[in-house]
Amino acid sequence: GAVVSQHPSWVICKSGTSVKIECRSLDFQATTMFWYRQFPKQSLMLMATSNEGSKATYEQGVEKDKFLINHASLTLSTLTVTSAHPEDSSFYICSARVGWREVTDTQYFGPGTRLTVL
Amino acid sequence: GQNIDQPTEMTATEGAIVQINCTYQTSGFNGLFWYQQHAGEAPTFLSYNVLDGLEEKGRFSSFLSRSKGYSYLLLKELQMKDSASYLCASMDSNYQLIWGAGTKLIIKP
Repeated sequence: GAVVSQHPSWVICKSGTSVKIECRSLDFQATTMFWYRQFPKQSLMLMATSNEGSKATYEQGVEKDKFLINHASLTLSTLTVTSAHPEDSSFYICSARVGWREVTDTQYFGPGTRLTVL
Repeated sequence: GQNIDQPTEMTATEGAIVQINCTYQTSGFNGLFWYQQHAGEAPTFLSYNVLDGLEEKGRFSSFLSRSKGYSYLLLKELQMKDSASYLCASMDSNYQLIWGAGTKLIIKP
């Protein structure tokens, strides 16, 4: 089946530092990758959608200068949380989809990255 | 607006059957997804319905009624490992998933 990996699985950083999270599709090429954030006991919140080779599309309320997304290849997308603050502490999850409208392929999720900002 | 409603929490007994309901209102409709999410982990895909009716997959079945904007996930022969949150998501006309808040299912021995 389709496997998506994320690295790191957890990270603790000081306030004001930047953190990079990698999302890789291991056995398929992902034309579209999604970045979600999930706070405790809440549902997934879509942050942005990124297509390989183009700029990410951010959801309303998500600061694109704070959450930098790069989708440089069909197997790798990165999310950089710049100048992280304690309120950015959350569970960040990426997902990948094979085709543009291959809805039956679904989104395959990475294992998530738990970010704690002190 | 777009809205997904599902119960916050349900409790069931090991070996029993439980039905988790979901109602949705989205701009356009391209299918209804169910995902399972264990605490601290990412969601895993369970089912996809785009046509009316019941889709059975082992112990899990999913039902869709497009005219009613309604779906349910049916879990049979419950096992302790089924304790998790179950997320309902509707795909809108832009092929974006609109997520419900999830139903936390607690299984008791």
